[in-house]
Formats: sequence, C-alpha cells, structure tokens
Amino acid sequence: GQNIDQPTEMTATEGAIVQINCTYQTSGFNGLFWYQQHAGEAPTFLSYNVLDGLEEKGRFSSFLSRSKGYSYLLLKELQMKDSASYLCAVSNTGGFKTIFGAGTRLFVKA
Amino acid sequence: DAGVIQSPRHEVTEMGQEVTLRCKPISGHDYLFWYRQTMMRGLELLIYFNNNVPIDDSGMPEDRFSAKMPNASFSTLKIQPSEPRDSAVYFCASSLYTFPMTGDGDQPQHFGDGTRLSIL
Repeated sequence: GQNIDQPTEMTATEGAIVQINCTYQTSGFNGLFWYQQHAGEAPTFLSYNVLDGLEEKGRFSSFLSRSKGYSYLLLKELQMKDSASYLCAVSNTGGFKTIFGAGTRLFVKA
Repeated sequence: DAGVIQSPRHEVTEMGQEVTLRCKPISGHDYLFWYRQTMMRGLELLIYFNNNVPIDDSGMPEDRFSAKMPNASFSTLKIQPSEPRDSAVYFCASSLYTFPMTGDGDQPQHFGDGTRLSIL
C-alpha cells in the first residue's frame, strides 16, 4: 500500500527552529516534495529531494533518507507568516502520480 | 505570466445538480492534474492528462465524476449528479518538467487557486 505519515499539528515560537517529520511507504519512489499551504490558498512548492541528504534553500532545508523512508523539513528563524500547513508528497515510479500526506499545521506564536 | 486559472472560485448548488469546474493551464505545460482536498482525506489526485490525453484516472471516485481536456488550454471536471459528500476544494495544476528535476528553475506542479464547492 501507499502511506505518508506526518504529525497533525505543531506549535513553535517566533525566531525558533522547527522540524517537521514525514515517513512514507509507496510503490516506487521518484522524489519527495514539500509544499506550504496557507489557509484558503493553493499549495506552493518549497523543496524537492530525490537523493539522500540535505537540501538547503534559505531558511528552509529538507532532508531525505530513502532507505528509511524518512524526510524532514527544517524551518529556521521562524516568522509569524510561516504559520501554515506543510504537505509532504511523494512521486512514484514514472514521476507524475504524486501522493500527498495529510499535512502538518504549524502554528507560530509570538 | 498568468498562472493556472480556475473557475468558478466558489460554487454552491443543491444536491442532484450538475457541476462543471474549469481550468486553464499555464501555456506550454503538457501535464494537467485535478485534485480534491478535504479535511478528512487531504489532497487527493483524481486524474491527470498528458498532451490532452487522460493517463491515470484511478483516483476518480465514481462514475458521477468525469474529466475532459478538449485542447491544450482547457479542461473540465464534471460531477453529475452532485452529492453533499462531493463538497471540497478542487485544485487544478499543470506542469512541464521531467524527472528527476535537474535545474534550479525546475518547478513541479503549479496549482490554481482552487474551486470551493459546496453541495447542499
């Protein structure tokens, strides 16, 4: 079967660092994505990992371990505007069928 | 550069009525995706097209749902007859990319703003 697990909610303080974990089991693997979605808006792309290791992009970093079926999104220097849902998604073999996790709602407090 | 355009933004209709959602992908993109998002089930892929041809419709919930792409710049998702459990946000997305993404400018799917559908 195919399954993507991530925590339902997290709370963190402005200026802090937060790590959002994602574990997956899918039939085939062709890349893992992280998306940000603010309430009432469309998902927007944050990061893509296809090889093991860490990808850094400004305040956001994403890590992948294919052998463990595990990824995390790291957000540094949290800002209030980072309050949103973060979706972990995996593309299966062939690349175009993307399975999304239920998302993690992040609340950033002052 | 216009993004993916969906219409209507909001639709409220009564159970049993036909609902048609529309999508205009980004010009030049050859993949188009329809998703449904609910609190209970999250974001689900319903169907996707490549060069106007449906490739995988295994996510379409039942025969009441149908999708077409008559040309490269237009797609519809139709529900007939609609039921209250169809209430959700429906997103259309388009893309032009290959796997694995190789360039810094590569982006996966570009999403439209969605159609919020309420079936009473």
